[in-house]
Amino acid sequence: AQSVAQPEDQVNVAEGNPLTVKCTYSVSGNPYLFWYVQYPNRGLQFLLKYITGDNLVKGSYGFEAEFNKSQTSFHLKKPSALVSDSALYFCAVRDWGGNTGKLIFGQGTTLQVKP
Amino acid sequence: EPEVTQTPSHQVTQMGQEVILRCVPISNHLYFYWYRQILGQKVEFLVSFYNNEISEKSEIFDDQFSVERPDGSNFTLKIRSTKLEDSAMYFCASRLAGTGELFFGEGSRLTVL
Repeated sequence: AQSVAQPEDQVNVAEGNPLTVKCTYSVSGNPYLFWYVQYPNRGLQFLLKYITGDNLVKGSYGFEAEFNKSQTSFHLKKPSALVSDSALYFCAVRDWGGNTGKLIFGQGTTLQVKP
Repeated sequence: EPEVTQTPSHQVTQMGQEVILRCVPISNHLYFYWYRQILGQKVEFLVSFYNNEISEKSEIFDDQFSVERPDGSNFTLKIRSTKLEDSAMYFCASRLAGTGELFFGEGSRLTVL
């Protein structure tokens, strides 16, 4: 079965500093990995995905993520955090079991960027 | 930019009442999903729908739940007899064939009293 783990409930970072939100995965097939962001009382917005190809994928709002097969990780990064990046971030993996394309989400990590 | 739309944004209902949550997926998408999120926490899969039938459902999706695509554009989730524990944010999502990412609506908050 596929799963993702986000080991940190919350990440605090000062504005202008680099940020990392961690995600590790477990899959039985090819790892299709995703990051989503959720602002308060809003839906989930797609940020980026890794399907194949370069291990460093770039996404929306200056975010990027690094796929590391040996460490089974897919950490979300941004070189310089903004206060407006404060939100709930979810890592997700495609579930190959039912072949329906559904995503399985991690528990979420709250990112707090302080001025 | 095309988006998934959901109505109502918030519904309050009494326990035991029927509720229908509506979604209009992105027009050229073929795969549809319902997820729920309780108290801003983990996002849980409920059901997937393709080619006018359920393709997969979770343990949460019991006999009280049903989905329908009545007219080729709307995609609805019905809860027949709501329970207190059905209180959650319900998200509809859709996906284009051949891609991996799901696109989510803004959600429908259901409060069962």
